[in-house]
Amino acid sequence: QQQVKQSPQSLIVQKGGISIINCAYENTAFDYFPWYQQFPGKGPALLIAIRPDVSEKKEGRFTISFNKSAKQFSLHIMDSQPGDSATYFCAASREIKAAGNKLTFGGGTRVLVKP
Amino acid sequence: NAGVTQTPKFQVLKTGQSMTLQCAQDMNHEYMSWYRQDPGMGLRLIHYSVGAGITDQGEVPNGYNVSRSTTEDFPLRLLSAAPSQTSVYFCASSYLGGYNEQFFGPGTRLTVL
Repeated sequence: QQQVKQSPQSLIVQKGGISIINCAYENTAFDYFPWYQQFPGKGPALLIAIRPDVSEKKEGRFTISFNKSAKQFSLHIMDSQPGDSATYFCAASREIKAAGNKLTFGGGTRVLVKP
Repeated sequence: NAGVTQTPKFQVLKTGQSMTLQCAQDMNHEYMSWYRQDPGMGLRLIHYSVGAGITDQGEVPNGYNVSRSTTEDFPLRLLSAAPSQTSVYFCASSYLGGYNEQFFGPGTRLTVL
């Protein structure tokens, strides 16, 4: 039973286009929603994260949109570039002081940006 | 800083063999964890530790043991490898607290025949 569901599994976008990846979660106790980017043969790296007190967060070409009532959040990659070709994972966790950040991950989306 | 390092990068085992995946970090992070990555499943938490001498189970702990004798090291042991443990294993570390960035190692690709 996956607590964070991610879609689509893969997508192809033309250079300059918009990539959109969606995630839905079940546990209303989650209060931290990061996105990780992973290149082939590498470990995941934090891309951008949001907390539920805001509905949107933007960092450069990457934007997270958050809908608390729908228990959904999404990643938008604007002006997609070939260098953005990677696998993207959404994740969720809840803060437990002195207990660490136990992330629950979505299944991943493989993004291919065609030049 | 080397960050999070993992050894080996690749490993092939036969069913029933045992081995230890090594993980080390030089960022003085209290929190360390092990994930396994399988196609379509994302990353799933195996075990984690909030400090030396303290470990706990994650989502998929069966077949794996951990210990943490120092802040820097967090090895993962497979006692009797099974084909179902074929996966890519990632170690991660962070400061304690819910919103601290987790830093991942480069991974170990394990195949169990």
